[in-house]
Amino acid sequence: QSALTQPASVSGSPGQSITISCTGTSRDVGGYKYVSWYQQHPGKAPKLMIFDVNNRPSGVSNRFSGSKSGNTASLTISGLQAEDEADYYCSSYRDNTTPNWVFGGGTKLTVL
Amino acid sequence: QLQLQESGPGLVKPSETLSLTCTVSGDSIFSSSYYWGWIRQPPGKGLDWIGSVYYTGSAYLNPSLKSRVTISVDTSKNHFSLKVTSMSAADTALYYCARHVAIVGSTYYFDSWGQGTLVAVSS
Repeated sequence: QSALTQPASVSGSPGQSITISCTGTSRDVGGYKYVSWYQQHPGKAPKLMIFDVNNRPSGVSNRFSGSKSGNTASLTISGLQAEDEADYYCSSYRDNTTPNWVFGGGTKLTVL
Repeated sequence: QLQLQESGPGLVKPSETLSLTCTVSGDSIFSSSYYWGWIRQPPGKGLDWIGSVYYTGSAYLNPSLKSRVTISVDTSKNHFSLKVTSMSAADTALYYCARHVAIVGSTYYFDSWGQGTLVAVSS
C-alpha cells in the first residue's frame, strides 16, 4: 500500500480538464510545500511535471498546474491532449525520524 | 545535457545481494545542491523511494529498507551505487536512478531520471 493515496484512474475527452488528487497526512503533504508530480508513459522513465506544489520546470506545458489544500494535493491538466495519456504519480517529502520521500500509487489517465 | 545510466545484473538469486551502479554524465556528482537517488517500481505497480546519497557519502534511506540497503558514491568515477542484501521475489522491480534536487528547507524533487534497469529475483 502506497504512502499517498491517488485514484486508480481518471478519464477525460480532448479539450477538457481533469484533476488528480493526492492525499497524505500532516507529516507529508499537509505539512510541507514539497509536493511534486511525475508523468510516466508506458516503458518510459518518469518525467517531472510539477515541483513545490505548483511550480513547472522549464519545458513543461502551462496546461499542467498544481495546488494543495490541507492534506490533499492536486494536479490539473487543462485542454487535454492525446499525448497526456499516461500514469501520473505524486510525491512528497515526509518528516520521519530522518527525512524521507514517499510516492502515491499512481493514477492512469485515459484520454477518451 | 544530464544523463544517468543504470548498470548491473538483470537476474539475482534469492538471498543474494544486488549491486547496481548509476553513471552520471553531463553534470558532476560533486554538487552541493543535489542528492543522487534510487527509486524502484515493481512490475505493474507504483514508485518506491529507496534512498538518496550526497556527494559526501551521507545518505537518507527508506526506513522499510534501511536494514538491507547501502548507497555509496564515487566522485572520482562520477557514479553512485546501490546494494540490497537478502534479495527476494518481492524485490523484483525496475530500478531507477535519479538526480534528487535537495536544498534543505527550500525544495526537494527528482528532476532527471535514468531509463531504469529491470532486476528479477529467481533461482
